[in-house]
Amino acid sequence: SYMLSQPPSVSVAPGQTARVTCRGDNFERKSVYWYRQRPGQAPVWVLSYENDRPPGIPDRFSASKSGDTATLTITRVEAGDEADYYCQVWDNSGDALSVFGTGTKVTV
Amino acid sequence: DVQLVESGGGVVQPGGSLRLSCETSGFTFSDYWMSWVRQAPGKGLEWVANIRNDEREKYYHRGFAQGRFTISRDNAKSSLFLQMNGVRGDDTAVYFCTRDQRSIGLPHAFWGQGTLVTV
Repeated sequence: SYMLSQPPSVSVAPGQTARVTCRGDNFERKSVYWYRQRPGQAPVWVLSYENDRPPGIPDRFSASKSGDTATLTITRVEAGDEADYYCQVWDNSGDALSVFGTGTKVTV
Repeated sequence: DVQLVESGGGVVQPGGSLRLSCETSGFTFSDYWMSWVRQAPGKGLEWVANIRNDEREKYYHRGFAQGRFTISRDNAKSSLFLQMNGVRGDDTAVYFCTRDQRSIGLPHAFWGQGTLVTV
């Protein structure tokens, strides 16, 4: 099955920059999406690889991709950014059409 | 505002059945793909199934949903459903309904708060 790997945790001081990585195969052909899940809440779509973001998501959040790694970057980190972050792609090579990464806990 | 409200979760015995519902509002339901995504306690997100706006395409996670779960929708009632049969202990999870986009392959744009299924 297709898999996306993320680091389990990232720690960052307030005001600094957090980077969350997501590794997978054939990324050059795939759009990568990012979701934030605050404790006890449902996930929220925050960003696409092309840096499309829904209303209410600040431009402190940005996305990039290079080779087999996609990166979510959060600048000027705030306490409210503390959450689990998941990457996601669509893939038809394995068991699941929509594949989520393993998730990264960002601790501020 | 887009709203998705899941219901139908609860405690079910292994081998039993459950039907989850997702009532929606705030958008033209019949225009969008819809999905179910689940999250086991303390674990990550796992896609379950999705359905095209006109029901002509349905896809399931081949590892656990194909053959046991059935996704459906009622466009007249702006509602999405997941029939779960032959449930197992590892089906215990919060099940989220998501509103996707007009085309497949785009983000799960909106999420409900989820309904907990305990097997």
